[in-house]
Amino acid sequence: AQKITQTQPGMFVQEKEAVTLDCTYDTSDPSYGLFWYKQPSSGEMIFLIYQGSYDQQNATEGRYSLNFQKARKSANLVISASQLGDSAMYFCAMREGGTGTASKLTFGTGTRLQVTL
Amino acid sequence: DAGVTQSPTHLIKTRGQQVTLRCSPKSGHDTVSWYQQALGQGPQFIFQYYEEEERQRGNFPDRFSGHQFPNYSSELNVNALWLGDSALYLCASSLGLAWAKNIQYFGAGTRLSVL
Repeated sequence: AQKITQTQPGMFVQEKEAVTLDCTYDTSDPSYGLFWYKQPSSGEMIFLIYQGSYDQQNATEGRYSLNFQKARKSANLVISASQLGDSAMYFCAMREGGTGTASKLTFGTGTRLQVTL
Repeated sequence: DAGVTQSPTHLIKTRGQQVTLRCSPKSGHDTVSWYQQALGQGPQFIFQYYEEEERQRGNFPDRFSGHQFPNYSSELNVNALWLGDSALYLCASSLGLAWAKNIQYFGAGTRLSVL
């Protein structure tokens, strides 16, 4: 079974509008972390935002926020006031396990976001 | 503050050859993870090094091996290259194995083409 599912292969959004990128996850581990990365055409994966499974509040980092719904196992990324430079692939990732364990990331298949004028 | 650096940026090899990719972690980081990203897919975890030891390994054959040096830099070696090994190889660094908010920072990758 897929551990991370991103059902939107591609999304379009107009400049200055908000957009939500979907991510659902599957784990039986009570301790996990959820991450979003941005990958421009250059290839580098750029860390955007992190949400821990025990965090009570949704994470925010500037124009990025994470809509964390634990019971539904979803961790959607919301980008407010989209900019042309936001056009890229976006990956949701999860790390399972507690303190001291090795920390591999499991990624989804990504969503390609295109910001238009 | 130098980020994660990888070399080379591009590489072309033929089937059966061997390749070595290199990674220098972000300043202050001591843990290096390697990922393979095939075209159109998300990265797949290969292995992770901490204190010069392989700590965790993904579902990759023994043809994929690695090493971490005392200065925390790392190498990924792939023997007997297949066409299917063509991919972007990403290196990520982080600090220790502590779980809480252990962010992995990635380099720009090495694009390997096997002909």
